[in-house]
Amino acid sequence: KNEVEQSPQNLTAQEGEFITINCSYSVGISALHWLQQHPGGGIVSLFMLSSGKKKHGRLIATINIQEKHSSLHITASHPRDSAVYICAVTPAFTGNQFYFGTGTSLTVIP
Amino acid sequence: GAVVSQHPSRVICKSGTSVKIECRSLDFQATTMFWYRQFPKKSLMLMATSNEGSKATYEQGVEKDKFLINHASLTLSTLTVTSAHPEDSSFYICSASSGTGNTIYFGEGSWLTVV
Repeated sequence: KNEVEQSPQNLTAQEGEFITINCSYSVGISALHWLQQHPGGGIVSLFMLSSGKKKHGRLIATINIQEKHSSLHITASHPRDSAVYICAVTPAFTGNQFYFGTGTSLTVIP
Repeated sequence: GAVVSQHPSRVICKSGTSVKIECRSLDFQATTMFWYRQFPKKSLMLMATSNEGSKATYEQGVEKDKFLINHASLTLSTLTVTSAHPEDSSFYICSASSGTGNTIYFGEGSWLTVV
């Protein structure tokens, strides 16, 4: 069983649509990360959350610590948003270790 | 912001040879770096934790004699795939944390193809 579960695994959207990707985890954490991996492999850290909500441009990330759940929202989606989005958590009391979700592959069609 | 650089981005080698991949933190000191392997359409799999000045900690099932990790300085960790086989072909990526360790910075990744 994965400590971090993401849904959906695959998502296709029309340009302009509002997109939500969900992440649930089963361990106590000190932080949750949303990562973006483009074709070719490079990974970029989008957000690090320990509570509440963060916004960067068209991206919004929320976390509910009590429910062990986080969501990543993309408003006004664009084809350049097509990528794999990965949820990762830093478990509490384990230093720099991370647990990763399997990722959500997003394709935005023009 | 902080950057982690990985080199080479792509490498092709013959079976039986060894390949070294470098991971550098460019503007911060990383006492700990992580090496991951990723199979197509799969999640990142932690291979080992690289600690500056000491031996790496390997995850269960990862052969330490095959995947040699050296973290000789606070800004450089290397992964050497020894006696490479075609099944070692994969995407390898490193990461490092600065400060409190809650911010992840990833290298660009290295595609290894063993022929």
